[in-house]
Amino acid sequence: QQPVQSPQAVILREGEDAVINCSSSKALYSVHWYRQKHGEAPVFLMILLKGGEQKGHEKISASFNEKKQQSSLYLTASQLSYSGTYFCGTAGYGGSNYKLTFGKGTLLTVNP
Amino acid sequence: GAGVSQSPRYKVAKRGQDVALRCDPISGHVSLFWYQQALGQGPEFLTYFQNEAQLDKSGLPSDRFFAERPEGSVSTLKIQRTQQEDSAVYLCASSLGIGNTEAFFGQGTRLTVV
Repeated sequence: QQPVQSPQAVILREGEDAVINCSSSKALYSVHWYRQKHGEAPVFLMILLKGGEQKGHEKISASFNEKKQQSSLYLTASQLSYSGTYFCGTAGYGGSNYKLTFGKGTLLTVNP
Repeated sequence: GAGVSQSPRYKVAKRGQDVALRCDPISGHVSLFWYQQALGQGPEFLTYFQNEAQLDKSGLPSDRFFAERPEGSVSTLKIQRTQQEDSAVYLCASSLGIGNTEAFFGQGTRLTVV
């Protein structure tokens, strides 16, 4: 089942913070975060695994609450380059944990 | 090249025409995925290869869709007798490992069926 992302869209001024949430109705093995700019490839940001292991880059962090089946992406001191659509992709347990189910995305616009 | 390469970038097909979309993954990447992305939506899983083996094709919408990766590197997604509902961006992604690891996406092929 498709995870639900919130908010659908957010507008920031450069330097402001934002939080994007991703919620699933099924037990999650992992959550992957991607950013996609218009007409471009989705770019990997972060992977959060059961047990709290976290991998990522840039000045972006994330949390993963396994019990609540939720993840949040934290963007602090946003930069113009952060603009784009953010997708969370979730994987469940079992032999097909390579298969990501993506949410509909959160459109982030950072203005000067 | 350094990244995942897809060709063509854009394809316009007449309804009923067959199309073939190519994906060149990052060299040495074991896993390869195809996703379909409709306008304003997130990518939707189509199929998964581990080397040359197609381990999961559960997301292919119909038997008109066929994917192959015969030598474990380049992959082709073929759509037969295209329909208007096939119009979408088709994304290919590859990853070094098996299973749940960081995946690198290509820019996609935008297919428009007229």
